[in-house]
Amino acid sequence: EVQLVQSGAEVKKPGESLKVSCQTSGFSFPNYWIVWVRQMPGKGLEWVGMVYGDSDGVYNSSFEGHVTISTDKSISTAYLQWSSLRASDSAIYYCARQGVGAITGTPILDFWGQGTLVAVSS
Amino acid sequence: EVVLTQSPATLSLSPGERATLSCRASQSVASDLAWYQQRPGQAPRLVIYGVSMRATGIPARFSGTGSGTDFTLTISSLEPEDFAVYYCQQRPNRPLRFTFGGGTKVEIK
Repeated sequence: EVQLVQSGAEVKKPGESLKVSCQTSGFSFPNYWIVWVRQMPGKGLEWVGMVYGDSDGVYNSSFEGHVTISTDKSISTAYLQWSSLRASDSAIYYCARQGVGAITGTPILDFWGQGTLVAVSS
Repeated sequence: EVVLTQSPATLSLSPGERATLSCRASQSVASDLAWYQQRPGQAPRLVIYGVSMRATGIPARFSGTGSGTDFTLTISSLEPEDFAVYYCQQRPNRPLRFTFGGGTKVEIK
């Protein structure tokens, strides 16, 4: 059974660092893209970036330089981290697996984590 | 960069009614268009991919149509569990990224 289990909610102050995790199981982690998606309070979905195996992350230009996406293949886990949080980073962050549509071959987000709530406030 | 525009923002309907949701792309996206459902307090769930293919476990009352720049998600007869927010999504090969529409909320009238 494919599962993506994310780390728990975090409450931080502006300027602090944070690393949230997405532990996966049930599939061959090195062979799939893991995608991160942000959802600000009451808003829609925004693509943050994605990572494949040991490669460098690919980022939405709106987030590049502010977040880092990485993996630890040995424990099938992906990470999203900040070195200096801002209040505007307050949101729910989802990880998802990019699979491939069975017939169409098109990329799809077929399995999702439960989300990690990040609250940043002084 | 492709921009996806969804309409309407909110759809107020009763159980048993038909829901028609629209997603318009700023340029042609061929057949690479998916729809996701997000219920309150839950993660999104894939509903339709490749424009018209139902994802695993999605009931037949959900259907997707369209081509080029105009796409539609139809729910033929709304069940209580269908009241949620729906997002369309596209992922081109170049540049590598995911794009989501702004969402349509299907609410109980």
